[in-house]
Amino acid sequence: EPEVTQTPSHQVTQMGQEVILRCVPISNHLYFYWYRQILGQKVEFLVSFYNNEISEKSEIFDDQFSVERPDGSNFTLKIRSTKLEDSAMYFCASSEARGQGRKLFFGSGTQLSVL
Amino acid sequence: TQLLEQSPQFLSIQEGENLTVYCNSSSVFSSLQWYRQEPGEGPVLLVTVVTGGEVKKLKRLTFQFGDARKDSSLHITAAQPGDTGLYLCAGPGNTGKLIFGQGTTLQVKP
Repeated sequence: EPEVTQTPSHQVTQMGQEVILRCVPISNHLYFYWYRQILGQKVEFLVSFYNNEISEKSEIFDDQFSVERPDGSNFTLKIRSTKLEDSAMYFCASSEARGQGRKLFFGSGTQLSVL
Repeated sequence: TQLLEQSPQFLSIQEGENLTVYCNSSSVFSSLQWYRQEPGEGPVLLVTVVTGGEVKKLKRLTFQFGDARKDSSLHITAAQPGDTGLYLCAGPGNTGKLIFGQGTTLQVKP
């Protein structure tokens, strides 16, 4: 079965450093998402991306965050200057469609630890 | 603000027991989904319920969508250790993004 691939699986960084989390969505999918899950808390929506632009973002997704689909296969999340509170599991997801009942396929996540 | 509240948050039972997990909201959702997440993995979709009152079965798992489309339940019959995991309900918000409940951690002891 096709799957969403995320790298790295773990990333440790110093506060203030930039990190790039990488994702390879399922090849025929058109909608891409980033979610995060802080330990013990809910899975939270960050951003959705379609047709090479952001279609929706949450209040968490401030100016420190950006997304890119640089080459038609990778989908990246960049955090410019990491803060301690950015420590979380970050999940990439993709879907074929956007309508009611659409199926999101999630990657295994990148565990980001900011020290 | 659309919120999904799950209960219980933690459930530890013996193999063979039955259990029900609830997902409630004060808002109407056009559909609700149930995901299962194992440690170190992303959520995996189990089912989507779309019609008020709908019941879907997946082997020993029975999912129900409330008549008013504000709540859903997941019932597991004769739970097995392989059912252990985090169960999440989720629904599309008004703007389309997926809103998750806080999850129910299920532990099934052999």
